[in-house]
Amino acid sequence: GDSVTQMEGPVTLSEEAFLTINCTYTATGYPSLFWYVQYPGEGLQLLLKATKADDKGSNKGFEATYRKETTSFHLEKGSVQVSDSAVYFCALSSNNNDMRFGAGTRLTVKP
Amino acid sequence: DSGVTQTPKHLITATGQRVTLRCSPRSGDLSVYWYQQSLDQGLQFLIHYYNGEERAKGNILERFSAQQFPDLHSELNLSSLELGDSALYFCASSVWDTSSPLHFGNGTRLTVT
Repeated sequence: GDSVTQMEGPVTLSEEAFLTINCTYTATGYPSLFWYVQYPGEGLQLLLKATKADDKGSNKGFEATYRKETTSFHLEKGSVQVSDSAVYFCALSSNNNDMRFGAGTRLTVKP
Repeated sequence: DSGVTQTPKHLITATGQRVTLRCSPRSGDLSVYWYQQSLDQGLQFLIHYYNGEERAKGNILERFSAQQFPDLHSELNLSSLELGDSALYFCASSVWDTSSPLHFGNGTRLTVT
């Protein structure tokens, strides 16, 4: 079945460092890909999405490009802030009826 | 605030018992999804309802059941509870299906003792 694998955390960075969180997927067909973020004590929020190959999703300085050839959707940000500390989830949906999430990567940004 | 309301926030119960978790979706959203988040298994998809009809089933145990009512709120029933059912249960809603963004509630933390 469809699944998502993302790099294990936790990830600890200094403020203004470059961030990459790797995500690869296995799916039949052509899934839509997503990154969700979970701040402490809250539910998940959509960060960005891409619906077809070579699409780039972006929001709040975060970017991810849908790479069909490598089945990847890596999350990047050029300069992280303390407020970016959260858990990040990669997800996919192949059939519009269910969404599968990765295990989550906890990011801590230190001042 | 996502607009999705889950009650109760915390629930502590004993093994063998039955509990009901409630979710009110965002106004105008027709789809409701249930997820289980545990430390060792991450975020597991349980079930999706659209306008009262079941649309997809994930890793939902037979001891668990769900329904979506005509007013679109949803309930997740967990029975014959085991220690391993202790987890955070999230409800999410979307306008149509997963092609529109999912909006998550803050979850119900279930502790089975």
